[in-house]
Amino acid sequence: AQSVTQLGSHVSVSEGALVLLRCNYSSSVPPYLFWYVQYPNQGLQLLLKYTTGATLVKGINGFEAEFKKSETSFHLTKPSAHMSDAAEYFCAVSPNNRKLIWGLGTSLAVNP
Amino acid sequence: GAVVSQHPSWVICKSGTSVKIECRSLDFQATTMFWYRQFPKQSLMLMATSNEGSKATYEQGVEKDKFLINHASLTLSTLTVTSAHPEDSSFYICSASDYSGGNEQFFGPGTRLTVL
Repeated sequence: AQSVTQLGSHVSVSEGALVLLRCNYSSSVPPYLFWYVQYPNQGLQLLLKYTTGATLVKGINGFEAEFKKSETSFHLTKPSAHMSDAAEYFCAVSPNNRKLIWGLGTSLAVNP
Repeated sequence: GAVVSQHPSWVICKSGTSVKIECRSLDFQATTMFWYRQFPKQSLMLMATSNEGSKATYEQGVEKDKFLINHASLTLSTLTVTSAHPEDSSFYICSASDYSGGNEQFFGPGTRLTVL
């Protein structure tokens, strides 16, 4: 069965510091991988996705993620956090059956 | 592009009444639409998957007679919560996909349902 694990339900960083949100997955087939962001009382916005090709994926708002097959990971990073990055972040995988399997989410707090 | 709208954005209703939530893909034709439920501080729970013109596929544990889904066109799906009760209060989010971009789903802004 496929699953997604996001390590750390809450992450707190200082403004300007590196953001690292961890995501590991299990899948019997090569999956598509996604990171979504959710601001309070809003729907989800796609940050980035990996389907095929280059394993380092760049997304919106300065975020990027690297697909590491050997580690079954797809960690999300941003070199310098902004206050506006405070939100809930969800990692999801789609093992080619059109559904998304979701992680439990990581709440990112950015301290001034 | 790829905008999905939901209406209403919030609704308050009395226990026992039914509430309809609309999900529209504004600038693309959605082959498939998904309905999710999200409790506070939790992840999304997939309720059902609907393809245009066919019956929705419900996830295990979701009552299909309580949560009626209609996907009558490639741009519109509706979720009707029938005989709503306070425990149905939640944040309902729809998403839509045309599967042109590797299973990417485009999400609506969500509907906050409060049942008194």
